[in-house]
Amino acid sequence: AQTVTQSQPEMSVQEAETVTLSCTYDTSESNYYLFWYKQPPSRQMILVIRQEAYKQQNATENRFSVNFQKAAKSFSLKISDSQLGDTAMYFCAFRKDNNAGNMLTFGGGTRLMVKP
Amino acid sequence: ETGVTQTPRHLVMGMTNKKSLKCEQHLGHNAMYWYKQSAKKPLELMFVYNFKEQTENNSVPSRFSPECPNSSHLFLHLHTLQPEDSALYLCASSQDTGRTGELFFGEGSRLTVL
Repeated sequence: AQTVTQSQPEMSVQEAETVTLSCTYDTSESNYYLFWYKQPPSRQMILVIRQEAYKQQNATENRFSVNFQKAAKSFSLKISDSQLGDTAMYFCAFRKDNNAGNMLTFGGGTRLMVKP
Repeated sequence: ETGVTQTPRHLVMGMTNKKSLKCEQHLGHNAMYWYKQSAKKPLELMFVYNFKEQTENNSVPSRFSPECPNSSHLFLHLHTLQPEDSALYLCASSQDTGRTGELFFGEGSRLTVL
């Protein structure tokens, strides 16, 4: 079974600063997908960024980028130029590379507060 | 309406009550999911439906009974719940065989069991 661990229950950052959220996972699979989801207060959870394990290049989406270290089974999220709207719960998630539907294993989440 | 809609948004029920949560997706997806989100715990996958067929039951107690009449609707029937079942129940949908892994979530139904 896969496990996903987010070791930082809460974090805060000043507006316009950069923050990094940590995620580690455990799996025996050689190929898989990793994701970061964002859940704003009382709003829907949305996908922020995804990474295919077979790709060495780190994924980037505007101000969001990841540091994927496959050997270390680490998948951190960097948010640059933090904005007040980035305040949310952030969940790291893992998915096997198979056709068994999009069944994700989630970490426990990191609550990020962006301060003005 | 667009996306994934869940009703009711808030529900308070006694341990002997019977209630249902409803989820509707307007995205043309074929797979739908129920997740349980408890405080300080990872999201727990409960059920998966693919083309209306249940493909996953993650050892969920029988007091939770899912129903998927078609690919756009998903219900979670609740009966004789326990206080520890209080949580945010999230519905999600996705393409059935898509490997992008993108789940589209509803806003959730906040359940309180007294």
